[in-house]
Amino acid sequence: KAGVTQTPRYLIKTRGQQVTLSCSPISGHRSVSWYQQTPGQGLQFLFEYFSETQRNKGNFPGRFSGRQFSNSRSEMNVSTLELGDSALYLCASSPSKGNIQYFGAGTRLSVL
Amino acid sequence: GENVEQHPSTLSVQEGDSAVIKCTYSDSASNYFPWYKQELGKRPQLIIDIRSNVGEKKDQRIAVTLNKTAKHFSLHITETQPEDSAVYFCAASINQGGKLIFGQGTELSVKP
Repeated sequence: KAGVTQTPRYLIKTRGQQVTLSCSPISGHRSVSWYQQTPGQGLQFLFEYFSETQRNKGNFPGRFSGRQFSNSRSEMNVSTLELGDSALYLCASSPSKGNIQYFGAGTRLSVL
Repeated sequence: GENVEQHPSTLSVQEGDSAVIKCTYSDSASNYFPWYKQELGKRPQLIIDIRSNVGEKKDQRIAVTLNKTAKHFSLHITETQPEDSAVYFCAASINQGGKLIFGQGTELSVKP
């Protein structure tokens, strides 16, 4: 079974631009969660989607948004990029709430 | 709000020694506590988890203990090996998934 796949692996953007990251969960998994990882703040929860609905949300500004498609693939979007948005963005999938989360390799975003 | 404190931030041990990492959570509703290992440049990998109805769980050289009264849980690694060197994260969740609140991480170094 293929693992969680995130694309692209690396991104370089400039301040003010927007970016879209993609996450394909393990086949059969319906829950996708997104996390931001930085050296200073560690791993912080962004949001979780289950059956195309946002089920949980972290404490990030509205510039961070996401969605989930009927095939459980998920995207997250960051608008009006700031230097502080530079981070590794990880997604994790699980069969449903109440199960282990499996992480993808992440997308490393650099904002210049 | 929800918070997980993890200590120590760095830990250096000799090969063969034991290592202990401790975490404290704030939300008494938390009932699922996974531990992840992240090697440099790699994705977080689940190494062990424990649910609130269990006080201790062991898997070969790794064990986790949970004290619900004190809202405290710990990871114990015995007979450490150089390949145990990595960053370890504890996390807490309500209803076993979806939204994981992570500790700040412990960088474990096992010296041969």
